[in-house]
Amino acid sequence: DIQMTQSPSSLSASVGDRVTITCRASQGISNYLAWFQQKPGKAPKSLIFAASSLHGGVPSKFSGSGSGTDFTLTITSLQPEDLATYYCQQYDSYPITFGQGTRLEIK
Amino acid sequence: QVQVVESGGGVVQPGRSLRLSCAASGFTLNGRVMHWVRQAPGKGLEWVAVMSSDGTSKTYADSVKGRFTMSRDDSKNTLYLEMNSLSPGDTAIYYCARESHSSGRCGTFDYWGQGTLVTVSS
Repeated sequence: DIQMTQSPSSLSASVGDRVTITCRASQGISNYLAWFQQKPGKAPKSLIFAASSLHGGVPSKFSGSGSGTDFTLTITSLQPEDLATYYCQQYDSYPITFGQGTRLEIK
Repeated sequence: QVQVVESGGGVVQPGRSLRLSCAASGFTLNGRVMHWVRQAPGKGLEWVAVMSSDGTSKTYADSVKGRFTMSRDDSKNTLYLEMNSLSPGDTAIYYCARESHSSGRCGTFDYWGQGTLVTVSS
């Protein structure tokens, strides 16, 4: 199975900040990497697919990059509503696996 | 408007069975790959199972293989997850999710349901 490791596990940032979350795959997955946002008590929301492509309706403050084993999710102009846990997911091969999540807190 | 709505969760004793439903609207299940993903309380996301667009092929996570079965009723545009021999480790919110993009081997999701909670406890 492909292991997905996110860092940091949690971070705290201020309104207006820019934050970056890292996701590392245990083997190369090309660009078959997705990102999700899960707000407290809610279902996950799909943000990014193919490492850097935004799903429809996702604001451009979210961006992704990377290929192979190392990927990043960047959120600019942080707002209180960005408080959430963010997950990466690989879809290179079954079983589909997720990172353990990064909890983003707003100071 | 695309929507998937899960139902059927509840409290069930260990060893018993439960069937979850995922009703789709705004699109037709026949022709779309669909997945189940679960989340234990306070934990991360775990992929459970996938059904191919024509409904003939299913793949399961090792943790549920032989116990869980995906099926679909095209006349009701509804997906099912039959769960047998449940154990406390199966306690989770179960989400169904529509596949949007694929690597050619497996895929990722665009729309998720709100989830249904399954609690396995005596």
